[in-house]
Amino acid sequence: EDQVTQSPEALRLQEGESSSLNCSYTVSGLRGLFWYRQDPGKGPEFLFTLYSAGEEKEKERLKATLTKKESFLHITAPKPEDSATYLCAVQALNSGYALNFGKGTSLLVTP
Amino acid sequence: GAVVSQHPSWVICKSGTSVKIECRSLDFQATTMFWYRQFPKQSLMLMATSNEGSKATYEQGVEKDKFLINHASLTLSTLTVTSAHPEDSSFYICSAPRRTTEAFFGQGTRLTVV
Repeated sequence: EDQVTQSPEALRLQEGESSSLNCSYTVSGLRGLFWYRQDPGKGPEFLFTLYSAGEEKEKERLKATLTKKESFLHITAPKPEDSATYLCAVQALNSGYALNFGKGTSLLVTP
Repeated sequence: GAVVSQHPSWVICKSGTSVKIECRSLDFQATTMFWYRQFPKQSLMLMATSNEGSKATYEQGVEKDKFLINHASLTLSTLTVTSAHPEDSSFYICSAPRRTTEAFFGQGTRLTVV
């Protein structure tokens, strides 16, 4: 059974304090690994899709990396507006494009 | 801007009534859309896959007679919660893949059944 585990559940950073969020996964054939940002009461906002081990993608202060077992979302010099829940999801080859989500990491960046 | 639009963003209904939620892809056609449900501080759980022109497929444990899905066109899927009860109160979110590489989500609908 496909599984996605995100850690930590919650993370509090000071503005400018870089850190990484982890997403460990097991899947029977990975089509893609997705990262989303979700603000309270909103739908998830697409950030990245990664497909193969060794792949990296960047967007502003965020950088996502992928290995065969896990993905990291690195946040460099975060700002308070980066506060949100970050969701990781895997798309299996046999899933018909549905996503299997982890529980998310709730990030709070304080000034 | 948003590429998937979901309406309404919130709704309060009385127990026993039905509620319809719409999901539209704005600048692309989606033969498949997905409906998820999210409880507070929990992950998104896939409820069903909406297929244009054919029946929806439901995940195990999801009652197809309670959660009616209609994918009437290539840009519109609807989820109707029938005979709603307080335990159906949740955050419902739709998703449409623009390409295999991009899965976009609607804004979500907060359903409260009183």
